[in-house]
Amino acid sequence: QSALTQPASVSGSPGQSITISCTGTSSDVGGYNYVSWYQQHPGKAPKLMIYDVSNRPSGVSNRFSGSKSGNTASLTISGLQAEDEADYYCSSYTSSRWVFGGGTKLTVL
Amino acid sequence: EVQLVESGGGVVRPGGSLRLSCAASGFTFDDYGMSWVRQAPGKGLEWVSGINWNGGSTGYADSVKGRFTISRDNAKNSLYLQMNSLRAEDTALYHCARNRGSSAFDIWGQGTMVTVSS
Repeated sequence: QSALTQPASVSGSPGQSITISCTGTSSDVGGYNYVSWYQQHPGKAPKLMIYDVSNRPSGVSNRFSGSKSGNTASLTISGLQAEDEADYYCSSYTSSRWVFGGGTKLTVL
Repeated sequence: EVQLVESGGGVVRPGGSLRLSCAASGFTFDDYGMSWVRQAPGKGLEWVSGINWNGGSTGYADSVKGRFTISRDNAKNSLYLQMNSLRAEDTALYHCARNRGSSAFDIWGQGTMVTVSS
């Protein structure tokens, strides 16, 4: 199964908002409301930031939000902070398995 | 504290075998499905295998199907991954992760490194 498509990198200044896209197909992103997003700092384990397209786990800042339109999901981070600089991965459930995006490196300028 | 701790990684020659373990604590292990997710050095995340709460249903990525076997022992709060016929492309940090139903992986371990090299 092919990986989901994410931009390799995005950047923004503190206080700004950025959006990371995640494009799949009707068999994964478009077919299920089971899109999730993960934040990974260097040398650390991934951390769940968004599940079921737009839900935040307890403890995750409300600056993080998710959405989906057709076969493309998006993660928006508002009010960028230095600590948001990390790699971000999307994932989708598909037919008894999961697929990840290639990852996006967020740089806070 | 909810925690997953992996062990069993190491250096193995191509064609060799390795068994990874994941010890769970801080939650009711048999309430959850579990997965293995790997990350090759400098690369992204790849789902490897998953298992439901009682071991009755398993799934594998095409890249490991027929070579890897996932299993669990709920009495020991442990998850396993038996890896056979290892290849250089299996070199990665292997994370154990808790499934939040079908929707996400909500708890992750720090990972155990597997290096396949002659």
